[in-house]
Amino acid sequence: KQEVTQIPAALSVPEGENLVLNCSFTDSAIYNLQWFRQDPGKGLTSLLLIQSSQREQTSGRLNASLDKSSGRSTLYIAASQPGDSATYLCAAPADSARQLTFGSGTQLTVLP
Amino acid sequence: DGGITQSPKYLFRKEGQNVTLSCEQNLNHDAMYWYRQDPGQGLRLIYYSQIVNDFQKGDIAEGYSVSREKKESFPLTVTSAQKNPTAFYLCASSMGAADTQYFGPGTRLTVL
Repeated sequence: KQEVTQIPAALSVPEGENLVLNCSFTDSAIYNLQWFRQDPGKGLTSLLLIQSSQREQTSGRLNASLDKSSGRSTLYIAASQPGDSATYLCAAPADSARQLTFGSGTQLTVLP
Repeated sequence: DGGITQSPKYLFRKEGQNVTLSCEQNLNHDAMYWYRQDPGQGLRLIYYSQIVNDFQKGDIAEGYSVSREKKESFPLTVTSAQKNPTAFYLCASSMGAADTQYFGPGTRLTVL
């Protein structure tokens, strides 16, 4: 059974810093991995989807990497802004049923 | 505008009552999902449907029921058998099981 872990649970940084969020998963036989953003009391917004054949995916100031062999993915946020404050969740498929297993998220606060 | 709508935004239920949460999408997606989110936790899958008139149980289906009579609609009923239904409920859809999931704004259910 797939297990997804995100550390740290919370992170606070000053505006302008570059930062990395971590995601680890136990079953490396995944076909993709997704990163989402959630604002308080809202639904999730898809940020990036990395296919298993890719090592990186970029969108604006965001860059996600995937290392299946080590069971890890990272989300890099460049030049952080207060508007980036949110909870970031990663999700990996669980076995052949293709259900997503979500991590508990990292709550990011970017201080002005 | 294409997207996923959920209603109501807030729902209050007395113990012993069944309630139904609505989820509608106009993205022409085949797959739809219901998740439950508890404070400080990731999402847990309740039910999912990959095609009309077919659905499968997720990790925490006990006390819930769904139907998928139309492609665009996937209502969730929280029955009185659900012991602890107070939570934030999120509906999502995707083109296929391996594709990016798009989320609705959520329904917050509180049992009085």
